[in-house]
Amino acid sequence: QSVLTQPPSASGTPGQRVTISCSGSSSNIGSNYVYWYQQLPGTAPKLLIYRNNQRPSGVPDRFSGSKSGTSASLAISGLRSEDEADYYCAAWDDSLSGPWVFGGGTKLTVL
Amino acid sequence: EVQLVESGGGLVQPGGSLRLSCAASGFTFSSYWMSWVRQAPGKGLEWVANIKQDGSEKYYVDSVKGRFTISRDNAKNSLYLQMNSLRAEDTAVYYCARSGSSSWDGMDVWGQGTTVTVSS
Repeated sequence: QSVLTQPPSASGTPGQRVTISCSGSSSNIGSNYVYWYQQLPGTAPKLLIYRNNQRPSGVPDRFSGSKSGTSASLAISGLRSEDEADYYCAAWDDSLSGPWVFGGGTKLTVL
Repeated sequence: EVQLVESGGGLVQPGGSLRLSCAASGFTFSSYWMSWVRQAPGKGLEWVANIKQDGSEKYYVDSVKGRFTISRDNAKNSLYLQMNSLRAEDTAVYYCARSGSSSWDGMDVWGQGTTVTVSS
């Protein structure tokens, strides 16, 4: 069971906007930055969003992140077939159990 | 080009040991925290350990404390993970990842991963 909670699946049709939620606690999301990663099938994770809502160079502005309290969200607008992947949120955790925690991942299907 | 290349994975019996390596290039290795993250077959990502730029601080997930040791050699631009007393549940793809200048900076560059299988 992951420290950060994500829905196991999400779906949308091309052109649609989808959001993926990530719920945590005061020791992780509530007091630290949230990061989002995209993992295409059979590949290594790729940084999608850092420090809650910042996009690395090369990441399309269709991807956006937000945070409120102990929850965060990843939004993907103008959904494309190549967005079909697993998405993970992550945050530093101030508790003794371990500095970094991940969500369980959300598999996004483009219908 | 910023690159991380892992090696050292393989098949090992329960209770055995393995040492993973990660060769870094294209950036000033000694300026960054570094991490190991693993992914069991069909499962999600799990952070394993990280290490400060000079090796003076190290953190581990509870499940590997006392069995795994993270280390680095800045002169060789290399990161290591010594894994002892391996268990079946350690079976996973192990990724080397670069973090930022602070411990709470997330992982921004990832290697392609190396597979560790613990089985008799």
